[in-house]
Amino acid sequence: QEQLVESGGGVVQPGRSLRLSCAASGFTFSSYAMHWVRQAPGKGLEWVAIISFDETHKYYADSVKGRFTISRDNSKNTLYLQMTSLRPEDTAVFYCVKDRGGYAYQSYGMDVWGQGTTVTVSS
Amino acid sequence: QSALTQPPSASGSPGQSVTISCTGTSSDVGGYNYVSWYQQHPGKAPKLMIYEVSKRPSGVPDRFSGSKSGNTASLTVSGLQAEDEADYYCSSFAGSNNFVVFGGGTKLTVL
Repeated sequence: QEQLVESGGGVVQPGRSLRLSCAASGFTFSSYAMHWVRQAPGKGLEWVAIISFDETHKYYADSVKGRFTISRDNSKNTLYLQMTSLRPEDTAVFYCVKDRGGYAYQSYGMDVWGQGTTVTVSS
Repeated sequence: QSALTQPPSASGSPGQSVTISCTGTSSDVGGYNYVSWYQQHPGKAPKLMIYEVSKRPSGVPDRFSGSKSGNTASLTVSGLQAEDEADYYCSSFAGSNNFVVFGGGTKLTVL
């Protein structure tokens, strides 16, 4: 079945960097756009970034633009999120999410979610 | 403050129907037919319930339905069941600047 497994979360000091990974299985990873969505403790969902199936289109939330970079390796069925200059307000569970479409011209709905990986930014 | 506005809570008795609203602007909900709804149980990942305003993914009961009028989208849950108790989030495509925006979430309680 379609599955996404995130890894790479942990506790990091403000200003430091962290890279999240997401391993995909059970579907043709190279055909779909992928998102990162985060959820701060006790809060709602916040969209972070999207990457098209072929990496030609990438978009970011204003809150992370210039600090986070989304990328993918279709040969490894893996999605990444490189996070730099981390702030305490970045503390959240980060979900790797599959879009129903591929091109990232818009989002057609997020139909497969990972279990999430927790990032805590604290000194 | 979330881009889309949802009521913080909603409730209904088993068997009843409840509707959750999601209000945006002409730049998101009103401008595109790419509204989705997600169900999230405590400690679990969200689950897609409705996409493209009113379409249901395979496996989602037809008790769940979606609609849109102007800048407001709605999720209706008919024949409420205990397992429907969860948080519900709406989202919308919002153009290439904001791309996807979420609502703040609605906690649905089955009385």
